[in-house]
Amino acid sequence: DADVTQTPRNRITKTGKRIMLECSQTKGHDRMYWYRQDPGLGLRLIYYSFDVKDINKGEISDGYSVSRQAQAKFSLSLESAIPNQTALYFCATKASGLETQYFGPGTRLLVL
Amino acid sequence: DQQVKQNSPSLSVQEGRISILNCDYTNSMFDYFLWYKKYPAEGPTFLISISSIKDKNEDGRFTVFLNKSAKHLSLHIVPSQPGDSAVYFCAASGGKLIFGQGTELSVKP
Repeated sequence: DADVTQTPRNRITKTGKRIMLECSQTKGHDRMYWYRQDPGLGLRLIYYSFDVKDINKGEISDGYSVSRQAQAKFSLSLESAIPNQTALYFCATKASGLETQYFGPGTRLLVL
Repeated sequence: DQQVKQNSPSLSVQEGRISILNCDYTNSMFDYFLWYKKYPAEGPTFLISISSIKDKNEDGRFTVFLNKSAKHLSLHIVPSQPGDSAVYFCAASGGKLIFGQGTELSVKP
């Protein structure tokens, strides 16, 4: 079984709709991250969390919100989706004290 | 301002030859560097890393070189294999990971 899972894997939605992307991990890591990937731009950090009660903005947090429901779960919400939020979204986890992040398989989101 | 740059969007190499992927960074406070490999429809997977106190780290066919004075790192794959065809991202850590844009490697049989 995958250590980091993301649901859904693919999603098509309309402008103005609220959408939630979910991430779960079984690695026991305390730190979790949300990134988006756009062609030619690499991966950019949206939000990150060091623990259940800790939420931090990343490089491109506008238009997004997150919730850390438990150590193993970190969800990303688009309150009112817009077309330029069309992208690949990745969740990642990391153990504190170590540098390597482990990524989920990604969610491909299309906003029409 | 892009703190980590991979200036080659793509690279094509013959099977068995060496692949060299390059990455430049601007922030001298970065203290750890990583390379990730990404296949289509999958998430990035960790490949190899190097601490800023070293200048070389080797793992099988993969070697990462770090030149701190030039703020440059490179990934060498020898010998290249068709299964190495993927997008490679370099990342630099100064608390958070900053990723380059990626280089798509194609290894031709």
